Order: sequence, then structure tokens, then C-alpha cells
Amino acid sequence: EPEVTQTPSHQVTQMGQEVILRCVPISNHLYFYWYRQILGQKVEFLVSFYNNEISEKSEIFDDQFSVERPDGSNFTLKIRSTKLEDSAMYFCASSATGTGGIYNEQFFGPGTRLTVL
Amino acid sequence: AQSVTQLDSQVPVFEEAPVELRCNYSSSVSVYLFWYVQYPNQGLQLLLKYLSGSTLVKGINGFEAEFNKSQTSFHLRKPSVHISDTAEYFCAVKREGYNKLIFGAGTRLAVHP
Repeated sequence: EPEVTQTPSHQVTQMGQEVILRCVPISNHLYFYWYRQILGQKVEFLVSFYNNEISEKSEIFDDQFSVERPDGSNFTLKIRSTKLEDSAMYFCASSATGTGGIYNEQFFGPGTRLTVL
Repeated sequence: AQSVTQLDSQVPVFEEAPVELRCNYSSSVSVYLFWYVQYPNQGLQLLLKYLSGSTLVKGINGFEAEFNKSQTSFHLRKPSVHISDTAEYFCAVKREGYNKLIFGAGTRLAVHP
């Protein structure tokens, strides 16, 4: 069964450093997403991406964040200068379609736990 | 603004007992509704979804949920739980015309022998 994969599973970084979280969405999906879950809190939407551009983003997704699809398979989230409060589990998701219809189910990866020291 | 409320942060239950996890949402427009499960140290797995049609939706692992538009609720139920159902359960909503999922705070289901 096709699945979303994420690497690394755990990333430890120093405050102020840049990190790149990587995701390989399901191969025939067209919509890609990043969510995060701070420990003990709810899962929060960060950004959605379609046709090589951001289609929707939350207020959390400020200038420190960027997303990219560098090739035909990877989808990355970059945090330019990490802060302590960026420590969270980051989930990548993908879907075949976007806003509606029976194929709009979002499939989630296992997550990358980011720890900022 | 859209919001999802999961009324119980923790639900302890004995094995083979029935369980209901409550979810209410706020929206004045059409929505799609989802329940996801997160097992320890794993990602989110879709249990079931309501897009349209029958208000009673059946999902994986014996779970079902009922969409009640008048009460803006989408409660999750299982008639007989197993130890293996111990996990965090998240209710989520997606507005018509938008991509993002809005999640509730989660309910931790703890099944005891």
C-alpha cells in the first residue's frame, strides 16, 4: 500500500540553525501539506502546496518557513532560523485532489520530531 | 472562525465495553468531517470520513460515526473496544473550498483489561 514517508524521524538542532525536513508524498498525489503538533497540543495546519506554489497557509507559516518540491518526488519544509518554540512533531500529508470530492483524503506520514536546543 | 471541540481529553474504558468519543464543530458552511487515530509514536491514520450522503459512516477497526447537522456533532462510537484501540483520537473538519484540516485537541482513549 502506498504511503507517505518522512526523513529524518528525529532532528535535533541548535537555536538559530536552519533545518530541512523531507517528505516523499504518495506518487500520484497532487496536493501536499505540512502540519505540526507541539507536544501535548492539537495538530495545526501550516501550509498546502499545489502546482508548485503555496495554495493556502496559516498565520504560523511566516517568513522563517518555506516549502519546495525540488524534484518529482520530494516535498520539503525549511525553517531558516529555528527557535525554541519550533520544537514539535512535523507531519507531511498528501492527497489526490484538493478541496472536495471523495479523493480529497489526506494521507499522513509518520512525522519528524524536531527538537530545538 | 472554524473550530473543533472534543469534549473529553481522556476516556478510560474497560475492554469489551462500548465507547463514544464526542466531537462538535462550528461552521456556517458545508464541511467534510474526519476522525483520525494516532497510535503511540506513529503518524495519523484515517479511521473514517463524512463527505455527503448517509449520516452514519462506518470506518476501519469497527468504528462508526454519526453526522448530526442540527447539533453540529460527529461523535465516534465503537460497540466493543479492544486493548489495541488504546490511542489518541482526533476529530477534524475541512470547509468546502479549502484544503486545510482543522483538528480538535484530541481524546486519549485508554482501554483497560
